[in-house]
Amino acid sequence: GAVVSQHPSWVICKSGTSVKIECRSLDFQATTMFWYRQFPKQSLMLMATSNEGSKATYEQGVEKDKFLINHASLTLSTLTVTSAHPEDSSFYICSAYRDLAKNIQYFGAGTRLSVL
Amino acid sequence: AQSVTQLGSHVSVSEGALVLLRCNYSSSVPPYLFWYVQYPNQGLQLLLKYTTGATLVKGINGFEAEFKKSETSFHLTKPSAHMSDAAEYFCAVSERGGGNKLTFGTGTQLKVEL
Repeated sequence: GAVVSQHPSWVICKSGTSVKIECRSLDFQATTMFWYRQFPKQSLMLMATSNEGSKATYEQGVEKDKFLINHASLTLSTLTVTSAHPEDSSFYICSAYRDLAKNIQYFGAGTRLSVL
Repeated sequence: AQSVTQLGSHVSVSEGALVLLRCNYSSSVPPYLFWYVQYPNQGLQLLLKYTTGATLVKGINGFEAEFKKSETSFHLTKPSAHMSDAAEYFCAVSERGGGNKLTFGTGTQLKVEL
């Protein structure tokens, strides 16, 4: 079946540094990927839609300059949290559609970011 | 605009008992509906989905859900709970032609007791 891989699964960084999270579709090409943020014991909130070869589409309230998304190939999207601060600590999850017609998103295992 | 309401942030059942997790949705167009399960520190796994056709949908691990348009509901059930069913469950909706974006409910934590 379709597999979406995220790396790293857990990252700790100092305040003010930048962190890059990778999302890969392992056995299919994904022209569209999604990035979600999940706070403890809360639901997933869509941050942005990542489109291969074009700019990402951000949801209202999400800072574009803070959360940089690059979708350089059909199998890789990256989310960079720039100048991270403790309030950016969260669980970040990506997803991708293998087959838009079947309308099923496959999710990565998530990345837990802790900013000290 | 679309939204999802999951009644009950925590549900506790005994092993072998019926599981019922409630989900109501709001959508301006015919929706696609989904149930996902999340285990601690993991991503989401699709349990089942409704797009068109039969309103009673069967998924993995013995779960099923029924789409009731008149009640705008998509409740998740399982006849007999197992300890391994303990997890967080999310109901989600996407609108046809809405760019396939998912809107999630706030989740229901299912606890299964001996």
